[in-house]
Amino acid sequence: AQKVTQAQTEISVVEKEDVTLDCVYETRDTTYYLFWYKQPPSGELVFLIRRNSFDEQNEISGRYSWNFQKSTSSFNFTITASQVVDSAVYFCALSEAEEYGNKLVFGAGTILRVKS
Amino acid sequence: NAGVMQNPRHLVRRRGQEARLRCSPMKGHSHVYWYRQLPEEGLKFMVYLQKENIIDESGMPKERFSAEFPKEGPSILRIQQVVRGDSAAYFCASSLMRNTEAFFGQGTRLTVV
Repeated sequence: AQKVTQAQTEISVVEKEDVTLDCVYETRDTTYYLFWYKQPPSGELVFLIRRNSFDEQNEISGRYSWNFQKSTSSFNFTITASQVVDSAVYFCALSEAEEYGNKLVFGAGTILRVKS
Repeated sequence: NAGVMQNPRHLVRRRGQEARLRCSPMKGHSHVYWYRQLPEEGLKFMVYLQKENIIDESGMPKERFSAEFPKEGPSILRIQQVVRGDSAAYFCASSLMRNTEAFFGQGTRLTVV
């Protein structure tokens, strides 16, 4: 069975601090996708990244970076030099691509509060 | 290219009424997924449809809920005889193919009073 654990319920940081959001997943499949989504106060779900299980390269996009470690089943997300606009709920998700790639299992989410 | 469009954005229904939530996928997308975000349960998969077919409805409640994605027109999530526990945000996502990236709409927030 698939499971995604985001152990951090809420994180508060001061602007310009770096922050890492943790995500640990469980799956029996060898082929799967991992995702991160952002849900700002306005409520929509904003796609951030999708990573295939065979691609273990870390990725950087501007202030965002992701660390995929298959050995520890983790897919952590780091925001560098956080800004107030980063305040949101962040969800990590998993899908087992053998079947189809968009039946997502979401973690409970981490609330990030960035204070000025 | 417009994104996934959901309407209405907010819907208020009295207990016992029917709720119809609409989702227009991105242009060219024939795969649609519905998710529900309940306050204490988080985001959960409900159903996956491909034009005129239900592929996976393993997350749909057994009663009162149904979904369709007709050949023409938007996908509809229908909730009959709503109860207070149906109050939630309902998100739709669409993808071009079975395993390509899915994009989410802005959600419909259903409130049952």
